[in-house]
Amino acid sequence: DAKTTQPPSMDCAEGRAANLPCNHSTISGNEYVYWYRQIHSQGPQYIIHGLKNNETNEMASLIITEDRKSSTLILPHATLRDTAVYYCIVRLRRSGGSNYKLTFGKGTLLTVNP
Amino acid sequence: NAGVTQTPKFQVLKTGQSMTLQCAQDMNHNSMYWYRQDPGMGLRLIYYSASEGTTDKGEVPNGYNVSRLNKREFSLRLESAAPSQTSVYFCASSTVHVARAENEQFFGPGTRLTVL
Repeated sequence: DAKTTQPPSMDCAEGRAANLPCNHSTISGNEYVYWYRQIHSQGPQYIIHGLKNNETNEMASLIITEDRKSSTLILPHATLRDTAVYYCIVRLRRSGGSNYKLTFGKGTLLTVNP
Repeated sequence: NAGVTQTPKFQVLKTGQSMTLQCAQDMNHNSMYWYRQDPGMGLRLIYYSASEGTTDKGEVPNGYNVSRLNKREFSLRLESAAPSQTSVYFCASSTVHVARAENEQFFGPGTRLTVL
């Protein structure tokens, strides 16, 4: 699975958009980009994933560059409850129902300020 | 649905003691996982079970054993606890058959283990 690079920390004002970058320059053609977050003392929570097209769900948007070497997670209107560590993970899609391991790095600590 | 449940929530052991961490999921998921998280670190995979009846080592399996008791339950055992195993342990599960949630892992609340 490809390695990812994220800034260790970021700040964002409440109500503004939070844009969290991730570099994955060694990503291969059939690897997906996943985002999880971990609020203090809780288990990680899935946010979104994508292959090459931009994706949006009720929590966030995922923008993947055309060359797929980087991506940005966007929280459109950050709230205090979005303060968490955000993990960008790149992994291979495996067919045939085999395991789906995720490799977590250190992530980005996003602090949303009032 | 309760999702993924873990017991106990907290545990203190002395060096050399043994214990089993329990995990259960009610989402009919095929795959289950055990991770550990040390302060300031990301999660590291200890063991996983791709499906009922199979288990495989992850990144940091030494000092641990697992049992996939049935489709719902996946336990982690420390035979002889060491201070280096002081950590927060998370169990997770996932399915491979739901298109939208492909590879999405659902995590339990964690077990905080201290080994003295």
